[in-house]
Amino acid sequence: GENVEQHPSTLSVQEGDSAVIKCTYSDSASNYFPWYKQELGKRPQLIIDIRSNVGEKKDQRIAVTLNKTAKHFSLHITETQPEDSAVYFCAASSETSYDKVIFGPGTSLSVIP
Amino acid sequence: NAGVMQNPRHLVRRRGQEARLRCSPMKGHSHVYWYRQLPEEGLKFMVYLQKENIIDESGMPKERFSAEFPKEGPSILRIQQVVRGDSAAYFCASSSQNSGNTIYFGEGSWLTVV
Repeated sequence: GENVEQHPSTLSVQEGDSAVIKCTYSDSASNYFPWYKQELGKRPQLIIDIRSNVGEKKDQRIAVTLNKTAKHFSLHITETQPEDSAVYFCAASSETSYDKVIFGPGTSLSVIP
Repeated sequence: NAGVMQNPRHLVRRRGQEARLRCSPMKGHSHVYWYRQLPEEGLKFMVYLQKENIIDESGMPKERFSAEFPKEGPSILRIQQVVRGDSAAYFCASSSQNSGNTIYFGEGSWLTVV
């Protein structure tokens, strides 16, 4: 089955700096890669996703890149703000077979004012 | 359009009791997923269901845990004879055919076993 790894497990950045979180996946059939943000005591919320037919997607300060050959995908947050502090989870699944969504272990991001 | 609804939000059970967690998917969604999250840990897949069918239960513990998604009514995750190690947040998520595999989470049910 699919296995998703995520690095780093914790990340501290100064407000205004960029943050990068990297993930790898094992199943070459995976073609859908969402990212979720979870604040303490809250539910995970989808912040951006990418499908295998594109290599990069941007939404304001957030961007995601995908390298299918290397089975890598990354989340980039620019101009970080204190409210970006949360745990971020990457995930992978196979869209065509409606396979289950498998999550990475998470990255705890702290943005220091 | 209401989101994924879970109840109860918080549940306290004594060791050996049963816990029942309920999940109503978003309107129009026919796929339900249950994930478990231990304190300060990640989201572990438990089970994936469609109406009246268990599609994938590879993440479910072999004993004491069961899940269903009947034709009418919410999906239910049932934990029998709870133990302290069952204490966790249980998140339900749903998706529809039209959303591909985009899943939307409920607020979670926090189970505490005392």
